[in-house]
Order: sequence, then structure tokens, then C-alpha cells
Amino acid sequence: DVKVTQSSRYLVKRTGEKVFLECVQDMDHENMFWYRQDPGLGLRLIYFSYDVKMKEKGDIPEGYSVSREKKERFSLILESASTNQTSMYLCASSLVGRGTEAFFGQGTRLTVV
Amino acid sequence: KQEVTQIPAALSVPEGENLVLNCSFTDSAIYNLQWFRQDPGKGLTSLLLIQSSQREQTSGRLNASLDKSSGRSTLYIAASQPGDSATYLCAVSLPAGRRALTFGSGTRLQVQP
Repeated sequence: DVKVTQSSRYLVKRTGEKVFLECVQDMDHENMFWYRQDPGLGLRLIYFSYDVKMKEKGDIPEGYSVSREKKERFSLILESASTNQTSMYLCASSLVGRGTEAFFGQGTRLTVV
Repeated sequence: KQEVTQIPAALSVPEGENLVLNCSFTDSAIYNLQWFRQDPGKGLTSLLLIQSSQREQTSGRLNASLDKSSGRSTLYIAASQPGDSATYLCAVSLPAGRRALTFGSGTRLQVQP
């Protein structure tokens, strides 16, 4: 089974802290994604990466950065956490090519106080 | 910009009923359409993937159809069970550029025992 693992299920951080969310996949997928999910707004793409060290901004990249130093790992970084970044964060991965499913991690519920 | 709409937003049915969830998208030039299930506070579980060249996919009691020309997909659930209670999300990816998914806002399904 494809496995996408997020490092934490729940996180509580203080305003202004630098926050790292880690995601690891075990199926050698080229594509990896970070989404956030908020009530009434659905899932929105923050960043995605199609190869090691390659990244592309999604729809809401402001306040975030990413790192992909190894193929299996994709990190989301909140440079200076703010309360409006309180959300559910979801990581996903997929192969390049037609007919390839996206697989999601279990999610990280981040609360910024 | 691709927009994905799901109707209804919420649905409550008695156990044993057959039901249909609807998904529509504005740009018919899609690459894939994927249906997911999400339980409260959890990540997304992939249910079915339909490639743009396909008309339907089946898995157990689930059947998903795709009509690309009209920008519509349906998820049919046969003989619903209380364990089917969850939020169902559809998502599409476009052929050009990044292959990230654009999500609908979901249908929250409650199956009453």
C-alpha cells in the first residue's frame, strides 16, 4: 500500500514561531503537494513539487515556503506562524502520468495561539 | 480557472438506500477525476480514479461515471450502510501545467441505521 506519512497529527504553536510540517512518502512518487483545508473554503493548494529541489506555488503560498531535498520528503515551513494559519494541513503524493492516483496523509491539525 | 461544484452539500438517507452524489466542473479539458472519502478529522482516502478517456469506474458498491463534454461526474453508492457516513470529495486535474487537484467542497453523507 502507498503510504504518505505526516510527522504530527496535532500541533500547537505560538504566534511568530517558525513551524515545520514534514511529509514522507514511500512509493517513489515524483509529485508531492501541500494543501490546507478550512471549513467553507475546502482544500486549497499551497505548494507543490514535481522533483527534488523543484517547487511551484499553488493558490495560497503567502506566508509559507517548502523544501524538497530528497524525493521521499516534502516539508512545509511557516516562516512566522500567525493565527490565520490555524488549519488542517494535508500532504499528498502522486506519480507523473495519466491515470495516477493522488494519495493523502492523515493530516496535521495546526493551532496557532 | 477550473471550478468544481458538488451537490448536495449534505445528504441524510436510511440504511439500504441507493444514492447518487454529483460533481460538476467548468473546464472539460481534464486529465483525471478522482473521488475521495474523508472521515471527520482525518485525511483523504482515494475511492476511484477516472481517466479522461474513461466513462466509468467501479469498486465494490461504488460506481463513478464521467461525462467530460458536459463537465459532470456522479458517484453512485449502492445499498448504503452506516459505515459509509463521511464527506465525499471529487477533484480534477488539468492536462497542462501542474497536475495538482482542484477540489469541490464535498458532500457530507449521513446514513441512518
